[in-house]
Amino acid sequence: QLQLQESGPGLVKPSETLSLTCTVSGGSISSSSYYWGWIRQPPGKGLEWIGSIYSRGNTYYNPSLKSRVTISIDTSKNQFSLNLSSVTAVDTAVYYCARLESSLAYWGQGTLVTVSS
Amino acid sequence: EIVLTQSPGTLSLSPGERATLSCRASQSVSSSYLAWYQQKPGQAPRLLIYGTSNRATGIPDRFSGSGSGTDFTLTISRLEPEDFAVYCCQQYGGSPQTWTFGQGTKVEIK
Repeated sequence: QLQLQESGPGLVKPSETLSLTCTVSGGSISSSSYYWGWIRQPPGKGLEWIGSIYSRGNTYYNPSLKSRVTISIDTSKNQFSLNLSSVTAVDTAVYYCARLESSLAYWGQGTLVTVSS
Repeated sequence: EIVLTQSPGTLSLSPGERATLSCRASQSVSSSYLAWYQQKPGQAPRLLIYGTSNRATGIPDRFSGSGSGTDFTLTISRLEPEDFAVYCCQQYGGSPQTWTFGQGTKVEIK
């Protein structure tokens, strides 16, 4: 059974960079033609797709976040990562990693990241 | 950019009743690329329906999806206590690759 687990700091200061890693187990991140990506959910609000990376390295970003987002993949560790720069309070959210096809069947449990000084 | 608008925002129903949730897209969406999720507090979303009408693995048959073009519907035929949750729709745009979510409909106990 494929499992995904987010890790990273739960508190980030304004103007700094939010960095999260998703570790995939139960399957190889490079052996299949899937997208791997990040979705966030501010408290009490809906889901927002942040961006995705194909197993071969192509990246796709939400246009509203594109200037601040970098997603990378490390096939040797079976991980992919998110960097979101210049964060403000509006970036406070639960961040999920997921395997993306046209739908999202596999999600991590989510990790709350709070932006505050 | 396609926008998904869900209605109503909140649906107050009793167990055993039928729930009908709407998802309207600002542009036509391929039926192959419309999905529905259930989310309970503190949990990740759970895929219910993909490709407009296909139930995901383990999803009971009281959940069904339908629609085409810009109008899609999730129906729960008889609400069970565990079905009270937030439901959201999602579409995949293949070129360029984008994933868009609706804002959600909360199904609450009346």
